[in-house]
Order: sequence, then C-alpha cells, then structure tokens
Amino acid sequence: SQTIHQWPATLVQPVGSPLSLECTVEGTSNPNLYWYRQAAGRGLQLLFYSVGIGQISSEVPQNLSASRPQDRQFILSSKKLLLSDSGFYLCAWSVEGWSNQPQHFGDGTRLSIL
Amino acid sequence: AQSVTQLGSHVSVSEGALVLLRCNYSSSVPPYLFWYVQYPNQGLQLLLKYTSAATLVKGINGFEAEFKKSETSFHLTKPSAHMSDAAEYFCAVTRSGTYKYIFGTGTRLKVLA
Repeated sequence: SQTIHQWPATLVQPVGSPLSLECTVEGTSNPNLYWYRQAAGRGLQLLFYSVGIGQISSEVPQNLSASRPQDRQFILSSKKLLLSDSGFYLCAWSVEGWSNQPQHFGDGTRLSIL
Repeated sequence: AQSVTQLGSHVSVSEGALVLLRCNYSSSVPPYLFWYVQYPNQGLQLLLKYTSAATLVKGINGFEAEFKKSETSFHLTKPSAHMSDAAEYFCAVTRSGTYKYIFGTGTRLKVLA
C-alpha cells in the first residue's frame, strides 16, 4: 500500500531564516506531488505541483520554492522566511497522469514564524 | 474553469441528528468529486469519491453523498451524527485533462451532546 511521510510535524523559525520541509511517498511510482498551505479558516492554497522529476509548476508567486530531486521526494524551501509564511503546510500525492482518483495527504507541518 | 462552493462555514447538529453538508460545483466538463475530513492538526482523509459511476456514493464512517448533475451539487450526509464526527470537511473537484484539484473553503462541523 502507498504511504506518505511529511516532516517535521511542527517547526518554529525566526523571520529571515531558511526553510526546508520534506515529503516522501512510498509504494507508488511517478506520482503527481503537491504542496498546499492552509491558513486558518481559508481552505487550501495550492503552492506547487510536480508531475515528474525536476518538473515544478508554481501557482503562487512568493518567496517559497519547491524541488523534486527524486521520483518520490518533494521538498519545499525558502531562503528567508517572512511572517506571512506561517501556516499549516500539507503535502499530497495522486496517481500519475490525469486521473479520476483522489489526492492523498500527509499529516502536515505546522510552521510558526517568530 | 472549475470551482467549488461550500455553503456554511460552520454547521452544528445534535448527536444522533442528520448531518447535511452542502457542496455545489461548477464545471464545463464531467467532474470528479471528493469529500475529505480533517481533524485538528492532521492532514485530509478521503471520505468518498464520485468518478462518474453510481450517483449515490457511500464512504467511510457512515457518510454518503449524491451527485446531482441538474443541481450541480454533491452534498454530504450522515443519518446520525456522532461526537467523533466533529471536524472540518472539504469538498474538492477535478476533471480529466488537469493535474489540479480545486477545494472548497471547508465546513466545520460541531456535534452537540
């Protein structure tokens, strides 16, 4: 069966510090991978998605970036965090290609910027 | 473009009462629809999905949803609410030809004892 791992679960960082959140998927090949940010009461905002190694689509201009160095690894980064980067970050995967199948989510990372 | 509207950001029901969470979609092509549940500080968990087979879809934890094309709706129901159903619920839509999933803004369900 497929599993998705996301870490860390919580993170407290000062403004201006760098960020690296990691997500890995097991049990499937060439998944579509996604990063979302969830602000309180505002639903899910799609940040990035990837349909293959090295391929990244950005949805929202910001100081975040994403990379996919391996087939089942998706990393969210920032060189300098802003206060507005606080939130709950979710990684998700879906089967490769266009599909009628759902996304599957990790347990999320709660990021607090001080 | 596709969109999803969830009517009611907060819904309260008594334990044992009917749960009805509303979702309306907009799509120019046949949609694929999903309901997810999210407990505090956790990821989203799939409750059920509609992928153009049966219009009445049964999911986990006693939930079901009915796809009504004429009303562009995919409302989530449960005959009898349990305290453990208190959570936030999200409706989502996608379609063939895109990698993106569009989510509603969520409905927080409160179950009263």
